[in-house]
Amino acid sequence: DSGVTQTPKHLITATGQRVTLRCSPRSGDLSVYWYQQSLDQGLQFLIQYYNGEERAKGNILERFSAQQFPDLHSELNLSSLELGDSALYFCASSEGGYSNQPQHFGDGTRLSIL
Amino acid sequence: DAKTTQPNSMESNEEEPVHLPCNHSTISGTDYIHWYRQLPSQGPEYVIHGLTSNVNNRMASLAIAEDRKSSTLILHRATLRDAAVYYCILRGKEYGGSQGNLIFGKGTKLSVKP
Repeated sequence: DSGVTQTPKHLITATGQRVTLRCSPRSGDLSVYWYQQSLDQGLQFLIQYYNGEERAKGNILERFSAQQFPDLHSELNLSSLELGDSALYFCASSEGGYSNQPQHFGDGTRLSIL
Repeated sequence: DAKTTQPNSMESNEEEPVHLPCNHSTISGTDYIHWYRQLPSQGPEYVIHGLTSNVNNRMASLAIAEDRKSSTLILHRATLRDAAVYYCILRGKEYGGSQGNLIFGKGTKLSVKP
């Protein structure tokens, strides 16, 4: 158990819809990262938050947004969903933002777009 | 971004040692070498990391070449549970920014035979 909790585990929705994925980091961790894993693109970094502020952006689409709340949990919002957004979405957390600190991953949310 | 090269797949017998190689000839002096693994249907899991010296922990050992252009992850006695995709990742030393996230390649798929 990594201590990172992601909900829901599975999500099935239709094209054009909007969904929210939730992540609770490990106790004491200030950084939250979101990654997307699809069959053709592998694991790709989307966005990082540190103590409520956006720290880094990766290959995140404009239709996607995220935030980190004062209690440090984070939400990833995906809108105007397309078939290609079907993927596993992982959240990870680390104590700070330093690159020598391990990241701890949740079990992911599997998003299926019909 | 610094790149790593790993074999696509490797096979091992249960209870035998496994040496997973990684080449990173363009590594900079401040890049850490991290290893993660992803078991089937799970999120990535931190294994070990190092900068210059060899490192040991309860999961594995990391042997780093003197010129730091390659490293080897050593599983001392492979078990069936070690069957996973192993990722060798370089991470910059700078605080936060684009250096904080993980850049996953394709990794090495390790199969363990009973």
